[in-house]
Amino acid sequence: DAGVIQSPRHEVTEMGQEVTLRCKPISGHDYLFWYRQTMMRGLELLIYFNNNVPIDDSGMPEDRFSAKMPNASFSTLKIQPSEPRDSAVYFCASSFGGADGYTFGSGTRLTVV
Amino acid sequence: GENVEQHPSTLSVQEGDSAVIKCTYSDSASNYFPWYKQELGKRPQLIIDIRSNVGEKKDQRIAVTLNKTAKHFSLHITETQPEDSAVYFCAASMRTDKLIFGTGTRLQVFP
Repeated sequence: DAGVIQSPRHEVTEMGQEVTLRCKPISGHDYLFWYRQTMMRGLELLIYFNNNVPIDDSGMPEDRFSAKMPNASFSTLKIQPSEPRDSAVYFCASSFGGADGYTFGSGTRLTVV
Repeated sequence: GENVEQHPSTLSVQEGDSAVIKCTYSDSASNYFPWYKQELGKRPQLIIDIRSNVGEKKDQRIAVTLNKTAKHFSLHITETQPEDSAVYFCAASMRTDKLIFGTGTRLQVFP
């Protein structure tokens, strides 16, 4: 298995634009997590899914953020409109059974100018 | 709310010395405590974990201890090497399926 695959690796966008981050979890994993990493706040959980159903989105900072998981092999995190304070590294992780054995993707470094 | 505190934020040691990173958690029902290592520009990777029914676990130069009464757990790295330099994150699974991470410790090992 190729692991958790995220795209793009880097994204630079202008304030106000829509940004879509993509994640393909490991085949057979039933949990998918979106985290945001910044120097100030570390790794923050934004939202997670179990069997494609959103379980907890309490970490999503604002209505500008939305996430979907239309099937077991694909998830998106969308920011609309983007703001400079959204600049961070966004990680997707997947696991089988929950908190045990997260595998992280390589992350997407987002810069909003 | 759910919280994991981690100390210190930075740690510098001489090669061959030991390094200790400490974390405390807020929810006494937490039952799973992994540690992740993140090298510069890379993804976090699991290096060791411990469950609430175990007090200590070792894997070569790395060990983790858990004190459920005090709600804290620690990572111990012995005989540190330059390749141990990275950011280390503790985490706790609190009641549900998600992990809450500490804020990270930047470990620098000087030759």
